[in-house]
Amino acid sequence: ILNVEQSPQSLHVQEGDSTNFTCSFPSSNFYALHWYRWETAKSPEALFVMTLNGDEKKKGQISATLNTKEGYSYLYIKGSQPEDSATYLCAFNSGYSTLTFGKGTMLLVSP
Amino acid sequence: NAGVTQTPKFRILKIGQSMTLQCTQDMNHNYMYWYRQDPGMGLKLIYYSVGAGITDKGEVPNGYNVSRSTTEDFPLRLELAAPSQTSVYFCASRPQGENQPQHFGDGTRLSIL
Repeated sequence: ILNVEQSPQSLHVQEGDSTNFTCSFPSSNFYALHWYRWETAKSPEALFVMTLNGDEKKKGQISATLNTKEGYSYLYIKGSQPEDSATYLCAFNSGYSTLTFGKGTMLLVSP
Repeated sequence: NAGVTQTPKFRILKIGQSMTLQCTQDMNHNYMYWYRQDPGMGLKLIYYSVGAGITDKGEVPNGYNVSRSTTEDFPLRLELAAPSQTSVYFCASRPQGENQPQHFGDGTRLSIL
């Protein structure tokens, strides 16, 4: 069973704060690292799929970096807004058709 | 374009009853997945399929069965419902290509009493 860890488990910030989360995954047999955004009462939606060491992806105020050699990815949110409140999931793909998900980081942004 | 559709959205079962959770997708995706989500546990893979006629076990397959007779449909069957199967179930699909993201349905909340 692959071990995908996310930290922190939860985070509460004020509107306008910038924040970041960590996803740790096995550094061997790496194929891709996925990030999903999961709002309460909705279904997970894909943010990024990252494949190359050193990769950096950006969507609006959300960005992610990838280090496959040491097995971690960071997700950054610049200037958090209440609508950014969600659980952020990362998932590891070792190339065998399936994803192993972390437990997620729950972000709450207060106005 | 409806994406991934799951039915029902909610269901209460008695212990020992059986039911089928339906999942259908209209994106012509080869790959389909069933997950369960329990509080504090993240998404756990139950079964998956890489194409019509092919299914494989995931991390937590015990107590479940699946079939994939068409590209569109991937039903999940509970034969003898147990309280441990109380969970939220998500179906997902993706196209060919290991770098493709998965598209999720809205989930089925199942309680077994």
